[in-house]
Amino acid sequence: EPEVTQTPSHQVTQMGQEVILRCVPISNHLYFYWYRQILGQKVEFLVSFYNNEISEKSEIFDDQFSVERPDGSNFTLKIRSTKLEDSAMYFCASSDLWGDSSYNEQFFGPGTRLTVL
Amino acid sequence: QKEVEQDPGPLSVPEGAIVSLNCTYSNSAFQYFMWYRQYSRKGPELLMYTYSSGNKEDGRFTAQVDKSSKYISLFIRDSQPSDSATYLCAMSDPYSGAGSYQLTFGKGTKLSVIP
Repeated sequence: EPEVTQTPSHQVTQMGQEVILRCVPISNHLYFYWYRQILGQKVEFLVSFYNNEISEKSEIFDDQFSVERPDGSNFTLKIRSTKLEDSAMYFCASSDLWGDSSYNEQFFGPGTRLTVL
Repeated sequence: QKEVEQDPGPLSVPEGAIVSLNCTYSNSAFQYFMWYRQYSRKGPELLMYTYSSGNKEDGRFTAQVDKSSKYISLFIRDSQPSDSATYLCAMSDPYSGAGSYQLTFGKGTKLSVIP
């Protein structure tokens, strides 16, 4: 069964450092997403990506964040200068192309736990 | 404002009990309503989704949506220890025009089913 994979499973970094979180979406999917979940809080939408550009982003997704699809399989989230409050679980998700009348499930990866010290 | 409220629990029930999980929301534009299950340190996994109002049944699980009250429910019949997990409600507005269908989640309810 196809699945979304994410690496690394756990990333520890110092405040101010850059981190890149990597995701391999399901191969025939066209929409890609990043969500985050701070410990004990809601899963929050960060950004969606389609056709090599950002479709929508939340207020959380400020200039410190960027996303990229560097090749045909990977989807990355970069945080340029990490802050303590960036510590969270980051989930990548992917979905098939939405039709007018059909629902397309977002499949989530297992997450990357980011710890900023 | 897209906001979803869910009682985080925790909820502890004996095996075989009927479980009721609920969410309320404020954005009347939400059209798709989902229930995800999340095990510890794992990603959310879709259980069921419903479009607009109504009921949907899948085995021991029943999802209900009442758009007039902005209230959704998930019922689990004959609960099993393997149902122990955090249950997240999520919603989306597919016609927002932004073209991304972002999900708005509730905080999740942690369920423990005791053998």
